[in-house]
Amino acid sequence: DGGITQSPKYLFRKEGQNVTLSCEQNLNHDAMYWYRQDPGQGLRLIYYSQIVNDFQKGDIAEGYSVSREKKESFPLTVTSAQKNPTAFYLCASSRGGRAFFGQGTRLTVV
Amino acid sequence: AQSVTQLDSQVPVFEEAPVELRCNYSSSVSVYLFWYVQYPNQGLQLLLKYLSGSTLVKGINGFEAEFNKSQTSFHLRKPSVHISDTAEYFCAVYRFEGSQGNLIFGKGTKLSVKP
Repeated sequence: DGGITQSPKYLFRKEGQNVTLSCEQNLNHDAMYWYRQDPGQGLRLIYYSQIVNDFQKGDIAEGYSVSREKKESFPLTVTSAQKNPTAFYLCASSRGGRAFFGQGTRLTVV
Repeated sequence: AQSVTQLDSQVPVFEEAPVELRCNYSSSVSVYLFWYVQYPNQGLQLLLKYLSGSTLVKGINGFEAEFNKSQTSFHLRKPSVHISDTAEYFCAVYRFEGSQGNLIFGKGTKLSVKP
């Protein structure tokens, strides 16, 4: 099955801890994106990558970091510097504008 | 700067009634336009897309949208909604940046279909 996989689906983190969200795609897409979704705010772009070993900050990159060592993988680390990390995180990949989304990871800080 | 505006955050409607979800965008360059649907605790699924050609595009589940370049709008419509259409709908714009591009979303419209 071709697609994009996020894991885990639910994640709990203690305050002050870093946590990494996984995103893998087997669609051979060059572009990958991370979005954060909060009620009433739509999808806000955290980071995006158009090619391996390169990525750019989106609108709300502070407190997050990414890497793109392989075309298939675009993990997102939520660091302790992110003051309000509880949210639903969506990863996407795209070619020619059409985006394919993972099922999301719901992160809760406890 | 480029933006996508969904004019209604919530749209309640009765079953079998028609519905229109509004989307306006701003961009000085050519764009692709999309509508996505999201069911609770899931990712987004593509409903329909406009890349070029006919300004009226048809998507899945009986939805359609019309691209209006002069009004920079891409409103989503369905002539008769079902309970199962209850979901959040996102308008998105893909703007070209050289040979690549960036995908920007609106804030979403929650469609609530009542019996």
